[in-house]
Formats: sequence, structure tokens, C-alpha cells
Amino acid sequence: EPEVTQTPSHQVTQMGQEVILRCVPISNHLYFYWYRQILGQKVEFLVSFYNNEISEKSEIFDDQFSVERPDGSNFTLKIRSTKLEDSAMYFCASRWGAGNTIYFGEGSWLTVV
Amino acid sequence: DAKTTQPPSMDCAEGRAANLPCNHSTISGNEYVYWYRQIHSQGPQYIIHGLKNNETNEMASLIITEDRKSSTLILPHATLRDTAVYYCIVSPEGGASKLTFGTGTRLQVTL
Repeated sequence: EPEVTQTPSHQVTQMGQEVILRCVPISNHLYFYWYRQILGQKVEFLVSFYNNEISEKSEIFDDQFSVERPDGSNFTLKIRSTKLEDSAMYFCASRWGAGNTIYFGEGSWLTVV
Repeated sequence: DAKTTQPPSMDCAEGRAANLPCNHSTISGNEYVYWYRQIHSQGPQYIIHGLKNNETNEMASLIITEDRKSSTLILPHATLRDTAVYYCIVSPEGGASKLTFGTGTRLQVTL
């Protein structure tokens, strides 16, 4: 069964460093998402991406965050200058078309020290 | 997005049916009811969704009331591996509609 894959599974980074989280969405999917979940808290929407541009973003998704689909298969989330409060599990998700089911990856656990 | 209300936790004996309720009294006509679950800290896993008719797949059944203001997810024979947080989410179809997660129901399946 096709799945969303994410790398790395776990990354430890120093505060102020740039981090790139990578995702390979399900082939032929057109809509892409990033969510995050701080330990013990809810899964929170960050951003949705369609047709090579951001469709919607939450207030969490500030200027420190960016997304990119550089080569037609990968979908990346960049955090320019990490803060301690960016420590969380980051989930990538994708969907084929509007209204179809959203499928999530297993997540990338980011620890900022 | 319409809000949903779920009990914070439920217990179920292994082998028995787990019935997880959800209230979504402000659901709009074009909004679907989705159910996802999250096992430990894994990625949310899609279970089932529906608009107004009852739905069944290999994982579960979804019963939606006629007025669409509430629904029940049924796991017919719960196993220990079904222990997870279950999320009921309402979301419109169309566009790049996102899912908005609440706090869900923590289902504990016991021997």
C-alpha cells in the first residue's frame, strides 16, 4: 500500500540552526500538508500546499518556516532558525484530490537543544 | 470547520465491540465526518469517513444519525492493538481542505 515517507525519523539540532524535514508524498497526490504535535498536545495544522504554492497556513507558520516541492517528488519543511519551542513531531500528509482522504506519514521528531 | 465533542477516554474489553461517540451538532451540509486514530506517537491513521449514509470497511463501521448531528465509530472486535487516541473530525470537501484535530478519545483496550 502506498505511503507517505518522512526523513529523518529523529533529528537533534542546536537552537538557531536551520533544519529541513523531508517528505515523499504518495505518488500522484496533489495536495500536501505539514502538521506538528508538541509532546502531549494536539496535532496542529501548519500549512497546505497545492499547485506549487501555499493554499493555507496557520498562525504557527511564521516567517521562520517555509515549504518547497523542489523536484516533483519531495516536499520539504524548512525551519530557518530553530527555537526550543519548535521541538515537536512533524507530520507530512498528502491527498490525491479535493475531498479525498488525507494520508499521514510516521513523522519526524525534532528536538531543539 | 465545525467542532466536535468526544469523551476524553473509554475502556473496552478485548474481543468486544468498541463504540466511540462523537457530537457534531453544527455540521454543515457539505461537511464529511472523518475518523482517524493515533497509536502512541505515530502518524494519524485514516479509519473511515462518511457524509450521511452509514459506512463500513475492513477496519470499522460508521453510523451517522439522520440529522447528522452525531456519529458513532464501531470497532466490531477490539484488540489490544486498537488502543489509541481516536479523532472525530468534520471537514468540507473541496479545495485543500485541512483536518482540524481535537483532543479525541483515548481508547484503552484491556484483557
